[in-house]
Amino acid sequence: GQQVMQIPQYQHVQEGEDFTTYCNSSTTLSNIQWYKQRPGGHPVFLIQLVKSGEVKKQKRLTFQFGEAKKNSSLHITATQTTDVGTYFCAGQNPMNYGGSQGNLIFGKGTKLSVKP
Amino acid sequence: KAGVTQTPRYLIKTRGQQVTLSCSPISGHRSVSWYQQTPGQGLQFLFEYFSETQRNKGNFPGRFSGRQFSNSRSEMNVSTLELGDSALYLCASSLTGTGLSTKNIQYFGAGTRLSVL
Repeated sequence: GQQVMQIPQYQHVQEGEDFTTYCNSSTTLSNIQWYKQRPGGHPVFLIQLVKSGEVKKQKRLTFQFGEAKKNSSLHITATQTTDVGTYFCAGQNPMNYGGSQGNLIFGKGTKLSVKP
Repeated sequence: KAGVTQTPRYLIKTRGQQVTLSCSPISGHRSVSWYQQTPGQGLQFLFEYFSETQRNKGNFPGRFSGRQFSNSRSEMNVSTLELGDSALYLCASSLTGTGLSTKNIQYFGAGTRLSVL
């Protein structure tokens, strides 16, 4: 079945260091979304990427969508303690792919901890 | 605008019992999806409902079922509970659940934490 693999599973960084999480799909995606879940909280939408090769920035966060629309990355520059949490990517299948109608497939997430 | 509301927040059941969880989506949202979250497996998709119809289904046994009402509120039922069903169950609503626009962005509720003893 369709899978979205996300690495690394855990990342411990010193405050001020950079952080990157990678997402790879076994199939071409129509779009990819990124979510952040703070400890004890629920996932919150960060961004959606739609176009091949798209790059979007939100302050210290940079999101990329691969040319083949099968991989994506989230890069955080100069991490802060407020960045702590689990980051999920979620890929959406094209409509009617394999019988499904475009449901989101979540990666297992990358849990980021930041040491002050 | 009120967010996604899930009730109850916490639930303790014993093996063999059944449970019903409730989700009220954001007003105007027609798609409701359910996810199971466990530490080892991340977010696993259970099913999605749109206009009272199950539109997508994940790889969960038939003990897991759901429904959606005409006001888009949704319920999830788990019968014959097993210890492995202990998890955080998240509901997410979106305008349509599909498509390339922002209409498929998922807005999550706070979840129901189910413990099966």
